[in-house]
Amino acid sequence: GAGVSQSPRYKVAKRGQDVALRCDPISGHVSLFWYQQALGQGPEFLTYFQNEAQLDKSGLPSDRFFAERPEGSVSTLKIQRTQQEDSAVYLCASSLSGIKNIQYFGAGTRLSVL
Amino acid sequence: AQSVTQLDSQVPVFEEAPVELRCNYSSSVSVYLFWYVQYPNQGLQLLLKYLSGSTLVESINGFEAEFNKSQTSFHLRKPSVHISDTAEYFCAVASGGGADGLTFGKGTHLIIQP
Repeated sequence: GAGVSQSPRYKVAKRGQDVALRCDPISGHVSLFWYQQALGQGPEFLTYFQNEAQLDKSGLPSDRFFAERPEGSVSTLKIQRTQQEDSAVYLCASSLSGIKNIQYFGAGTRLSVL
Repeated sequence: AQSVTQLDSQVPVFEEAPVELRCNYSSSVSVYLFWYVQYPNQGLQLLLKYLSGSTLVESINGFEAEFNKSQTSFHLRKPSVHISDTAEYFCAVASGGGADGLTFGKGTHLIIQP
């Protein structure tokens, strides 16, 4: 596709539900990133993939958060037993490879946990 | 560890006036610096970046930023703003020797007044 695509755009979950957020990166982009952006804050790094390998997951806030990219393309961020503090916009970005290449961001998924 | 400070959460400016959005960073290693812009209801877009070389970098729409290593700053400037520049601006840093994830500031909302 022309850009990074994220779905759904909006997700409402009841506390305790599991959710799955999808990211479809730009074709050919090796690197894929997930960020969490709380209201009024800047994005915070969650995790990073190079192809299918998850090279850094230091930003995942708890073991309820899990990300995968099994074929090195589409990625899914899964949050188990959602809590109210998980409410945020989840951003996905992709780049060719390495930090010198521009990260292109999707429009994000706005998650609201009630 | 690295961090980014954007001291101004909002900057109101009259149209055609100059503007400076401040960004300071802290890092123990060499850094790459970025400014991203987020227009209303849109995703993050790269505005400009400093990787190496000339400390003054420019964007295609008249913004410029100067990397100042001694002051650990990367302030964004524009000599004359337009109503279309109304947006949220995020400064970000990446470590030259570490993971590729970006560390963002909290953002500055640039408000252009007619």
